Parts: sequence; C-alpha cells; structure tokens
Amino acid sequence: NAGVTQTPKFRVLKTGQSMTLLCAQDMNHEYMYWYRQDPGMGLRLIHYSVGEGTTAKGEVPDGYNVSRLKKQNFLLGLESAAPSQTSVYFCASSQRGGSSYNEQFFGPGTRLTVL
Amino acid sequence: AQSVSQHNHHVILSEAASLELGCNYSYGGTVNLFWYVQYPGQHLQLLLKYFSGDPLVKGIKGFEAEFIKSKFSFNLRKPSVQWSDTAEYFCAVNDNAGGTSYGKLTFGQGTILTVHP
Repeated sequence: NAGVTQTPKFRVLKTGQSMTLLCAQDMNHEYMYWYRQDPGMGLRLIHYSVGEGTTAKGEVPDGYNVSRLKKQNFLLGLESAAPSQTSVYFCASSQRGGSSYNEQFFGPGTRLTVL
Repeated sequence: AQSVSQHNHHVILSEAASLELGCNYSYGGTVNLFWYVQYPGQHLQLLLKYFSGDPLVKGIKGFEAEFIKSKFSFNLRKPSVQWSDTAEYFCAVNDNAGGTSYGKLTFGQGTILTVHP
C-alpha cells in the first residue's frame, strides 16, 4: 500500500495564478482532509470530506476550493493564489470506524510558495 | 470550539535526558487524544493515541503519555531521549468522539525538540 500520496511535492506560483493539489489514498478511507502547516501555528484544517461527492469547510477555508469526485481522491484548488497561501499543505485520511477510528494518516506534503 | 495548547515551542536536551512535553485542551467532554511526530522533511506519523481505558498510554520508540481528565492534559514523556528523537511533536484532539466529528482533529502549535549528542 502506498498510503496517502500527494502531487506535486513542490510548486512556485505567481500571485493570481491557479493550481490544483492532488491527494490520493489507497486505504479505502471514508474521510479525507486538507491542512496547511505554518511555523508556530501547527496544522489548521482547510476543508474536509466525509465521503465521495461531499465536502465541508474547516477552520481556514477562504481562498480554497475542494472536490471529491472519487472516494480515493481529494483535490485542493487555489483559484487566485496569494502570498498568504505560501505554506506546506498536508492531506490526510481516516476511516469511519474500526480499530483505527479517528486516526489520521498523512501524506508527505506539498511545499507551495506564492511570489 | 476546541483549542489545544502546547506549552513549549522549542525544547533542547542532551542525549539520555528525560523529556516531558505539555499538552492541554479546552473541551470537557469525551475526547480522543493523539501525539504525532514530524521528523525533518517528513510527514506526520502517529506516536500514540488515547481513546479510553488506562490513562497511561504507551506508544512507539519508548514514548508514553498520560491522560489526566481533571487537568485536561495529555503530556508526552520519554525517560531517555536519543539524538534521533530530534523532531517536531504535535498534540491533537478529536472531540465529540462517537458523534458527528467526522474524525476532525484540532492540533496544538507544535513543540520542536532538539537533542544534542
């Protein structure tokens, strides 16, 4: 199992450009999450999904959109990038029940710089 | 809303020293508690978790944590640290466990641990 994978690993954007970050998981997890990590602020939840076709806002959703068209994929979009969105983005997934309920599994991260 | 506080931003220790990292949360109901570790340049990995039962939880690599409900705390401990423990440590809390939280976690700010050989 690859677990949770993220594409791309690094990206540099200019202000106003758009991009999509892809997260994929092969663990058949129901729940998926997008976080951003900034120094001294821990991880903050951007959006999450509780199943295919559903998404919901997290703590810091402004400037981002998401889609979950397939159960295994969760896309994070930036329509018009801003320097404040320079961050490391982590995707995570978890299962709805079972012994690992509520345990989140993380991807390797995407380092995004917006100039 | 839930909040999680980690008291120390940066801890510097020598090898073989004992470690205790503080974590306090605000929600007073049923919670699931986690400690994650992030080694330099890597993604977060689970160290240990508390769901219910014995409040002293043992995790990987010799780490343990104690859940003290009356103090809303879940401190991480290790009797003797190694250079390889150098990393950033995050406490995380899931509240409304068993309800409709959908597994959402609230993270603390993180504590950077530097261990000198």
